[in-house]
Amino acid sequence: QLQLQESGSGLVKPSQTLSLTCAVSDGSISSGGYSWSWIRQPTGKGLEWIGYIYNTASTYYNPSLKSRVTISVDRSKNQFSLKLSSVTAADTAVYYCARGGGIGVDVFDMWGQGTMVTVSS
Amino acid sequence: QSVLTQPPSASGTPGQRVTISCSGSSSNIGSNSVTWYQQLPRTAPKLLIYSNSQRPSGVPDRFSGSKSGTSASLAISGLQSEDEADYYCAAWDDSLNGHVVFGGGTKLTVL
Repeated sequence: QLQLQESGSGLVKPSQTLSLTCAVSDGSISSGGYSWSWIRQPTGKGLEWIGYIYNTASTYYNPSLKSRVTISVDRSKNQFSLKLSSVTAADTAVYYCARGGGIGVDVFDMWGQGTMVTVSS
Repeated sequence: QSVLTQPPSASGTPGQRVTISCSGSSSNIGSNSVTWYQQLPRTAPKLLIYSNSQRPSGVPDRFSGSKSGTSASLAISGLQSEDEADYYCAAWDDSLNGHVVFGGGTKLTVL
């Protein structure tokens, strides 16, 4: 069964760029019909969709984060990545990668375990 | 402030039926289907209901979903202790070139 695993820096300084990678195993990121999303959750708070990439090139981003977000795919490594620039303490959260789009763009049927990112000097 | 509105908490005793509401607008629930997620403590969310009322394989039929107009509901019948979790609704929102929106989440307590 397809698995997702996030990795990246757990501590980022304010104003710097947060970078995370989601490795896809037991399945291909190039499989048609799916989108690959990033979703975050501040401690004790709700879920916030960051954006997704599909067809390995087309992207949709949360309008509130759009100016700072880049999601890309590395097909050779079967992984996709998130870059969030100019971070502040408000970006501190657990970041999840997820597969969606098979049924609907908001239907995330596979999730990574999540990785905590703290923004602090 | 979440785009979709859920009550922050709900509760019930074992065996009871509880419902969780999710209120939106014409640009999201009013024109798109609703998805529900269950998040057990310290775990990633899990897909619970999609297309308003469909259950993925493995989800007990105690869980059901419905939608009417710009609102949706998740019902859990025969409440069990392991149902204690946070529940989130989600939908595609057609505004601002389109994006996914979530509810703020409802913490379900089994008394």
